[in-house]
Amino acid sequence: AQSVTQLDSQVPVFEEAPVELRCNYSSSVSVYLFWYVQYPNQGLQLLLKYLSGSTLVKGINGFEAEFNKSQTSFHLRKPSVHISDTAEYFCAVSGNDYKLSFGAGTTVTVRA
Amino acid sequence: EPEVTQTPSHQVTQMGQEVILRCVPISNHLYFYWYRQILGQKVEFLVSFYNNEISEKSEIFDDQFSVERPDGSNFTLKIRSTKLEDSAMYFCASSPRSEAFFGQGTRLTVV
Repeated sequence: AQSVTQLDSQVPVFEEAPVELRCNYSSSVSVYLFWYVQYPNQGLQLLLKYLSGSTLVKGINGFEAEFNKSQTSFHLRKPSVHISDTAEYFCAVSGNDYKLSFGAGTTVTVRA
Repeated sequence: EPEVTQTPSHQVTQMGQEVILRCVPISNHLYFYWYRQILGQKVEFLVSFYNNEISEKSEIFDDQFSVERPDGSNFTLKIRSTKLEDSAMYFCASSPRSEAFFGQGTRLTVV
């Protein structure tokens, strides 16, 4: 079974500042890793995914994440945030059954 | 761009009533899922469906819940006798293999 821990429940950040959202996972098998974003009153949108290959993955809206197997982490970063990045961000892991286990989420609030 | 479609977007029902939440997955996807998100909590897996049968279900998915793919395109979640604690956002997802595509969700409110 897999599980995910998102280390920050809330991250306030100023516009144009960088942001990092931390995610650690546990799994006994090979994993696939994902970051999803949920804007207020909307569904889940995939930001990026790690399936295999390069450990640095780039996603939509300028986000990127790095898979670190030794530290079992998959932290999400963006070098310069916009007001429109205000949302809930979920890290998720799946194994070969493709069933997603989500973290508790990180609320990012971008202030001008 | 193909997307997963869920209807209705919001449903209010009385406790004890049956509800059916509907989903149209992306065509040619093979795996289908239902997840739920109670307000303020994380997204939880309910059930996965592959090859016209349930492949895995969580502890939440008890006898009150059922899923069907009645006509080869729609994918439904039925709750037989709703309870107050079933109030949540329910997400349908479909996947060709590893990446899940989510619908916009159905907000179920049980009163």
